[in-house]
Amino acid sequence: DVKVTQSSRYLVKRTGEKVFLECVQDMDHENMFWYRQDPGLGLRLIYFSYDVKMKEKGDIPEGYSVSREKKERFSLILESASTNQTSMYLCASSFGTGAKNIQYFGAGTRLSVL
Amino acid sequence: QKEVEQNSGPLSVPEGAIASLNCTYSDRGSQSFFWYRQYSGKSPELIMFIYSNGDKEDGRFTAQLNKASQYVSLLIRDSQPSDSATYLCAVTGTASKLTFGTGTRLQVML
Repeated sequence: DVKVTQSSRYLVKRTGEKVFLECVQDMDHENMFWYRQDPGLGLRLIYFSYDVKMKEKGDIPEGYSVSREKKERFSLILESASTNQTSMYLCASSFGTGAKNIQYFGAGTRLSVL
Repeated sequence: QKEVEQNSGPLSVPEGAIASLNCTYSDRGSQSFFWYRQYSGKSPELIMFIYSNGDKEDGRFTAQLNKASQYVSLLIRDSQPSDSATYLCAVTGTASKLTFGTGTRLQVML
């Protein structure tokens, strides 16, 4: 079974803090993704990576950065957390493109920024 | 215009009935289509995926593609209360990204 593990289920941070969300997958997948999910807005792609040290902006990258130093690990960084970044964050990984691009999700991290 | 559109629902069906969920997409180059189920407070899990060349049946679930009209449907036969969840449609072409709809909430009534 594919396993995508997110380091925290719940996080509470203060405005202005630097926040790290970690994601690890154990299936040697090439692609990794970070989404946020908000009521009524669905899943929105923040950043994705198709290889180590490679990253591409998704639909809403502002206020976020990412790091992929190893194939199995993809980190999302909030440089200076703000209240509008309170959300559910979901990490996903997939093997390839097109028909092979079945994405497997982690359990999610619910982040509250106070 | 949203690239993948779904009716947010809720879609209410009685237990044992057929639930029909639909999704329209705007990119004619889309080649693969995915249905995910998401229970409240949980992450999405894949139910089915189909390619542009045909429909697929898996147990109580059937995914159908209408390329001419650019929509994908998911039929759930003999709906059970445990099917109550939000169903997300996603499409992709040749890239590694998926484009998700906002989901349809299904309620199966006892």
